[in-house]
Amino acid sequence: GENVEQHPSTLSVQEGDSAVIKCTYSDSASNYFPWYKQELGKRPQLIIDIRSNVGEKKDQRIAVTLNKTAKHFSLHITETQPEDSAVYFCAADRGGGADGLTFGKGTHLIIQP
Amino acid sequence: DTGVSQDPRHKITKRGQNVTFRCDPISEHNRLYWYRQTLGQGPEFLTYFQNEAQLEKSRLLSDRFSAERPKGSFSTLEIQRTEQGDSAMYLCASSLVSGAGELFFGEGSRLTVL
Repeated sequence: GENVEQHPSTLSVQEGDSAVIKCTYSDSASNYFPWYKQELGKRPQLIIDIRSNVGEKKDQRIAVTLNKTAKHFSLHITETQPEDSAVYFCAADRGGGADGLTFGKGTHLIIQP
Repeated sequence: DTGVSQDPRHKITKRGQNVTFRCDPISEHNRLYWYRQTLGQGPEFLTYFQNEAQLEKSRLLSDRFSAERPKGSFSTLEIQRTEQGDSAMYLCASSLVSGAGELFFGEGSRLTVL
């Protein structure tokens, strides 16, 4: 099955700086790569996703890049704000619902004021 | 609130007891997923339904776990003869699209087995 590795496990940045979280996946058949944000005690919520036919996608301060050859994808958050503090999960999916999404272990992002 | 709802939100039980969780997905969503999340980990896939059919089951889902989705609407996840290792947050999610797409998660049902 799919295996998703996520780094770092904890990331502390100064408010206003950029944050980058990296993930690798093992199954070359995976074609959908979402990122979820989970605040303490809350449900995971999708913040951005990318499909394998696209190399980069941006939504305001958030961007995701995908390198299919290397089987890795990254989340970039610019101009970080206190409300960005949360746990972020990357995931990979082969599509068709088989095995569902495989999640990474998460990155706890801490925005220092 | 038209999101995914789960009940109960918290359940404390003694080892060996049976527990059942319920999930009500977003009404027009035909796909429903169950995940398990432990502290410091990402959600782990357990099983999913398309309408009333259970199409995939993870190897994590032992024979003490059973899930149903009668009539393709709400779903139940039952754990029989609970063990301390079953303590976790059980998340339900639903999805509209076929193939890979956004999952909408519920708030989860937290199980503590004493």
